[in-house]
Amino acid sequence: GAVVSQHPSRVICKSGTSVKIECRSLDFQATTMFWYRQFPKQSLMLMATSNEGSKATYEQGVEKDKFLINHASLTLSTLTVTSAHPEDSSFYICSASGLAGVLEQYFGPGTRLTVT
Amino acid sequence: KNQVEQSPQSLIILEGKNCTLQCNYTVSPFSNLRWYKQDTGRGPVSLTIMTFSENTKSNGRYTATLDADTKQSSLHITASQLSDSASYICVVRGRWTGGYNKLIFGAGTRLAVHP
Repeated sequence: GAVVSQHPSRVICKSGTSVKIECRSLDFQATTMFWYRQFPKQSLMLMATSNEGSKATYEQGVEKDKFLINHASLTLSTLTVTSAHPEDSSFYICSASGLAGVLEQYFGPGTRLTVT
Repeated sequence: KNQVEQSPQSLIILEGKNCTLQCNYTVSPFSNLRWYKQDTGRGPVSLTIMTFSENTKSNGRYTATLDADTKQSSLHITASQLSDSASYICVVRGRWTGGYNKLIFGAGTRLAVHP
């Protein structure tokens, strides 16, 4: 299957700072990328969907000014958690898909964010 | 409401034994159903994907079944290994018009295989 990478795999930041997480599709062009967060022992929750070159579509309850998503190319999307707080600590997972999300979604390995 | 429910929530089995995980869904209209394995601290990895017309699909020691009439699926793991310890997530894709088709995730079954 296709390969999706995330960087960093783990990050610790201080409260009030911003942190950027990268998601890359390594061997295919991802017209659509999805960002999920996962709390311990819970399933993935979709935060937003981004199409290359367009503004992201956020799920209800997700603050777009806090979670900035940029999908500037067909192989890279970034999630920036601005002014992070301890409650933002979570496991963030991206997935990528071709053809406007119609095809298979391939998940990245996830990024563990800890805000102290 | 479009939902995916999995049972049991957690399961402990001995190495070498078989087990079956259940998934019931109310997603409609239905496009396909996937089973993923998620190791702790890792992203989900696809095991099987089935469309409406498929009743069973195997991937090594994993066999998934689908009954689209009753909206039920199962994942059977044969001759379990310690490395099977993970969360198994049932995911259903709906077939809605106007935009991409969102995935609906189950809460997962946490499987622990003990020696």
